[in-house]
Order: sequence, then structure tokens, then C-alpha cells
Amino acid sequence: DIQMTQSPTSLSASVGDRVTITCRASQSISSYLNWYQQKPGKAPKLLIFAASSLQSGVPSRFSGSGSGTDFTITISSLQPEDFATYFCQQSYIMPYSFGQGTKLEIK
Amino acid sequence: EVQLVESGGGLVQPGGSLRLSCAASGFIFSRYWMSWVRQAPGKGLEWVANIKEDGSEKYYVDSVTGRFTISRDNAKNSLCLQVNSLRAEDTALYYCARVSRRTAAAAQPDYYMDVWGKGTTVTVSS
Repeated sequence: DIQMTQSPTSLSASVGDRVTITCRASQSISSYLNWYQQKPGKAPKLLIFAASSLQSGVPSRFSGSGSGTDFTITISSLQPEDFATYFCQQSYIMPYSFGQGTKLEIK
Repeated sequence: EVQLVESGGGLVQPGGSLRLSCAASGFIFSRYWMSWVRQAPGKGLEWVANIKEDGSEKYYVDSVTGRFTISRDNAKNSLCLQVNSLRAEDTALYYCARVSRRTAAAAQPDYYMDVWGKGTTVTVSS
């Protein structure tokens, strides 16, 4: 099974900051990598699919990159509504697997 | 409006069973793979199972294989997860999710979960 490891597990930042979260796969997954945002008490929301494709309706301050084993999601200028937990997920092969999550908190 | 609504969760003793349901609306249900994903209290997301558009292929995470069964009724726009032999570690919020597909130049399409329900809670405790 493919293991997904995110770093950091938590992050403090301020409104307006540029933030990058990393996700590493235990083996190559090409670009079969998705990113989700989850706010407390809410279902996850798809932000980016296929490593770098922005889901419809998601603000352009979110971007994704990477291929193979190393991936990132970047928020170019943090907004108050961006403070949440972010998960990566591989869709290269089943069982699909998620990273453990990165909690983005207000500094 | 595209919507998924889960139901069927509850409190059950270890070894017990439940049948989780997910009602889909606002899209052509029969054209999508569907997934169940769970989240234990205070923990991350865990993919549980997938089912193909016509129900001909099903996949499970190892920890539930042989105990959980995913199924669908395309005539009723309904997805189900039969959960048997429940254990304390199965306690979680269970989400159903629509799996969309983008067919690109590569041999394998991109799959991603683009619509989620609000979840139904399963608590396994004596």
C-alpha cells in the first residue's frame, strides 16, 4: 500500500502570508494526487486534483505542483477562511490513501 | 443542486451490524464511481471502499475486507455500506463521496472525490 506523509503536521501563519504544505508518497504516483480542505464540523472540500488542476470555484490563490513522489500545495496570500486542515490523497492505486493532515492555524 | 445525504449510523455493540445509506440527487448517479470515507474522532481521513458505476467492481481497505460490503442501486440513486462484525476502531463519521474522473492523455484517468455528504456517525461501544 502507498503511504502518504504530509509536512508539517501543523503550521501557524498570518493573514497575507504565503504558505506551502508538502506531501510525499512512499512510491511514485505520477500526478495522481488530490488536495482537500476540511473545516471543523464540515465535510472535506476538493481543492486541487491531478496534482495541479484547480477545482471549479476554488480561489486562484491555491495552487498545486509536483509529480512522482513529492507534491506541494501553496496558498499565495492567506485569507481568514483558509485556516483549516488540509489533506493530500493519492488516486494512483487502490487502496486510496490520505496524508495525516496539516492543520493551518492563525498566528 | 448536487447533493449526497447519508443515514443509518448509530450506537452499536462490538460485533454488531449497521447498514449505512447515501441518497444522491442532482446528478446522473449511474455515471459515477462512489466512495465511502471515514474519519475517527479527532483523526484524519481514511478511504474505506469504492464501487464502479455499474457495481461490477468493488474495492476495500484491508482493515474492513470481509466485514464491510459496498453496494449501489442506480434505479434508486442510492449507495449503501453494510458494516458487520463492528469493532471499537470502526467508530467514526462515515462520508459518502462522488468520484469524478478526468480522462487525460495518460492511460489512467484522474479520479477525485468532488462531492461529499455531511456524514453519518457510527459508534461502536458496549
